[in-house]
Amino acid sequence: QVQLVQSGAEVKKPGASVKVSCKASGYTFTSYGISWVRQAPGQGLEWMGWISAYNGNTNYAQKLQGRVTMTTDTSTSTAYMELRSLRSDDTAVYYCARTSSSWAPDAFDIWGQGTMVTVSS
Amino acid sequence: SYVLTQPPSVSVAPGKTARITCGGNNIGSKSVHWYQQKPGQAPVLVIYYDSDRPSGIPERFSGSNSGNTATLTISRVEAGDEADYYCQVWDSSSDHPSWVFGGGTKLTVL
Repeated sequence: QVQLVQSGAEVKKPGASVKVSCKASGYTFTSYGISWVRQAPGQGLEWMGWISAYNGNTNYAQKLQGRVTMTTDTSTSTAYMELRSLRSDDTAVYYCARTSSSWAPDAFDIWGQGTMVTVSS
Repeated sequence: SYVLTQPPSVSVAPGKTARITCGGNNIGSKSVHWYQQKPGQAPVLVIYYDSDRPSGIPERFSGSNSGNTATLTISRVEAGDEADYYCQVWDSSSDHPSWVFGGGTKLTVL
C-alpha cells in the first residue's frame, strides 16, 4: 500500500541540527512531491516547505529560510528534512506528506506517522 | 500573509450535523482542503478542492466554499468523528507563495 515511513524520535541540544527521513513505498516516488509540516505540542499545523521528487525544486516557508534544507534520494525513494540551529521552540512532531510534483495547490493525500523532535539542554 | 480563521471548538450531538467554518479574505477564490486529526495520529485528508472526497472517506463528509467562508459539513455525526479539523489553502497572492493552515477546530461529540 501507499505509505510514508519516517525515522524515529530525536533529542537534540539547542544549536544542533536534526535530519529526519521519510521513505516512500507503494507509488512512483518521482511522480510526486513531499511537503514537511510540523506541530508543536498542543498546537496546530505549520507548513515548513516542499520539494519535488521529480526535479528537486524546493520552496521553503519564509520563517525557516536559511535554517532548513529539503532533499531527496530517488534511488531509495526517501525524502529528507534537515533543520539547523535548533531552538526550544523547534520542539514538535514533524510530518512528511505526499503532494504534487510541481508547485501547485494539490492536497496532501498521504502522511507519514510523524517524528518527535525534542530540543532541550 | 494570508490568515485562515477557524472556531476553536464545535460541539454536536450524535446523529446531528456539524458545520466547521474556515474564514479568509475572498477564500472562495482559492482551493480549500480539509484534514482530520485524531489524538496521537497523523492528519488524514477528508476533503480536497473544496468539495471532493478521497476514496474511503464517508459520504457524510462534504465541503463548500464561497465568499469569505469555507465550510466542512459532517452529517449524522458519530462518536468516531471526534477529532481536530484543519482547513488549508495555497496562498499565491504574495511574492512568496506558501501553504497556510487554519488554527484548527476541535469537534466534540456530546
